[in-house]
Amino acid sequence: DQQVKQNSPSLSVQEGRISILNCDYTNSMFDYFLWYKKYPAEGPTFLISISSIKDKNEDGRFTVFLNKSAKHLSLHIVPSQPGDSAVYFCAALGSSNTGKLIFGQGTTLQVKP
Amino acid sequence: EAGVAQSPRYKIIEKRQSVAFWCNPISGHATLYWYQQILGQGPKLLIQFQNNGVVDDSQLPKDRFSAERLKGVDSTLKIQPAKLEDSAVYLCASSLVREGAGEKLFFGSGTQLSVL
Repeated sequence: DQQVKQNSPSLSVQEGRISILNCDYTNSMFDYFLWYKKYPAEGPTFLISISSIKDKNEDGRFTVFLNKSAKHLSLHIVPSQPGDSAVYFCAALGSSNTGKLIFGQGTTLQVKP
Repeated sequence: EAGVAQSPRYKIIEKRQSVAFWCNPISGHATLYWYQQILGQGPKLLIQFQNNGVVDDSQLPKDRFSAERLKGVDSTLKIQPAKLEDSAVYLCASSLVREGAGEKLFFGSGTQLSVL
C-alpha cells in the first residue's frame, strides 16, 4: 500500500513563476512531513519539513503547506529558478518514531529559462 | 564536513551472483540507514542501525540480503544471490540522532546496481 503519493510524475514551469508540487498521504498518524530534492547521480538532500501541528512552514523561496483534513501537503517554490530542476520527494515520519521515513514516488521539476 | 561516502558507484552483476556495498556515514552520526530506490519509485527503507544495533529491518529480504555495522561506524550491505528485481540504487544515509523534529537524513550518492 502506498501511504505517501505524488501523483504528478513531472512538472514544467517557466523561470520566475511559481512551482507547486503536491503530495497526498493516507495515514493520519504521521508526525512530520519532509521534502527532499535529488539531482541526477546524487543522493537526496533535505529541503524543508513541517510538523503535523502546523499548517505552514517557510524557508526563503520554499514554503510547505499542510492540510490535515485533506491529508494533503504541497511545496511552493517562488520564484522558480533553473537550478531548482530536480526530482522532489515528499516523505512522512510515523508517530512510532522509529525513524522510518516513507517516501512518495517523486516529481521531476523542470524550470525553463 | 565530509558527507556520507558510498562505494562502489556502479556495479553490474549477473543474477545469482553476490555483491556488497560499503558505506561510511558522517562522523559522529549514530543512526545509519540503507534505502533501496527502484527506478520511478521513492526510496524504501531496508534497514536502520542505531550505533551497531538494528532498529528496523522489517523490509529487508533476509533470505538474500544482509547488513552489518561493525563498531557503530561503517556499514556493509550484501546481496546473495542477486535477482533481476534487485536492480536499483542503494542509498546509505545517516543522522545525528533519531530526531523528533523531523528526520533530517544525509544521503550518500548511492550505488547503482544492475543485475543482468
